[in-house]
Amino acid sequence: DTAVSQTPKYLVTQMGNDKSIKCEQNLGHDTMYWYKQDSKKFLKIMFSYNNKELIINETVPNRFSPKSPDKAHLNLHINSLELGDSAVYFCASSQELLGTSGYTFGSGTRLTVV
Amino acid sequence: GESVGLHLPTLSVQEGDNSIINCAYSNSASDYFIWYKQESGKGPQFIIDIRSNMDKRQGQRVTVLLNKTVKHLSLQIAATQPGDSAVYFCAENWATGRRALTFGSGTRLQVQP
Repeated sequence: DTAVSQTPKYLVTQMGNDKSIKCEQNLGHDTMYWYKQDSKKFLKIMFSYNNKELIINETVPNRFSPKSPDKAHLNLHINSLELGDSAVYFCASSQELLGTSGYTFGSGTRLTVV
Repeated sequence: GESVGLHLPTLSVQEGDNSIINCAYSNSASDYFIWYKQESGKGPQFIIDIRSNMDKRQGQRVTVLLNKTVKHLSLQIAATQPGDSAVYFCAENWATGRRALTFGSGTRLQVQP
């Protein structure tokens, strides 16, 4: 069983479209995250949720909206996609809110906006 | 601003040699550090962690050293194998404030057969 699974793995779409990325974890963790990895491999936190509650909302455009229907799922919806949104998006989960344990990452979603 | 690590450099080693990957962090409030390995097309994978009350921790073929005086973290890989080829990231957790891991920019390790 995949611990943290993301769908889709690849997403190619045109500018202006709206798309969603889904994430599910079966580890029983309380906290989930979205990270963005740019072309230089830099990983930057976007959002974190703890038990469906938004904890971290970094400087991310309002076009990005996370949704957590339950603590095992954290989806990312992106409106009006722009070329600069092209990146790999990683979902992760951890047992503890305070980040004092390791994260388990999904395999990523490569988003390409054309 | 706060930062972890360096711009993505590449370390090339011969199979069987020992590898040392370095990371500089600037937040003295960080109390927990992790090394991750990312293979092509995959997500980061946990390798080893260390808390700020320690200066050394060993795993299987890997050792992490923490020098809080100079805010330096290193990952040592013994007898490097082709399967070790990947991008390696250090990450830190701030003891106060932000509650998510801050990642460095990574080091690409290339193992030559």
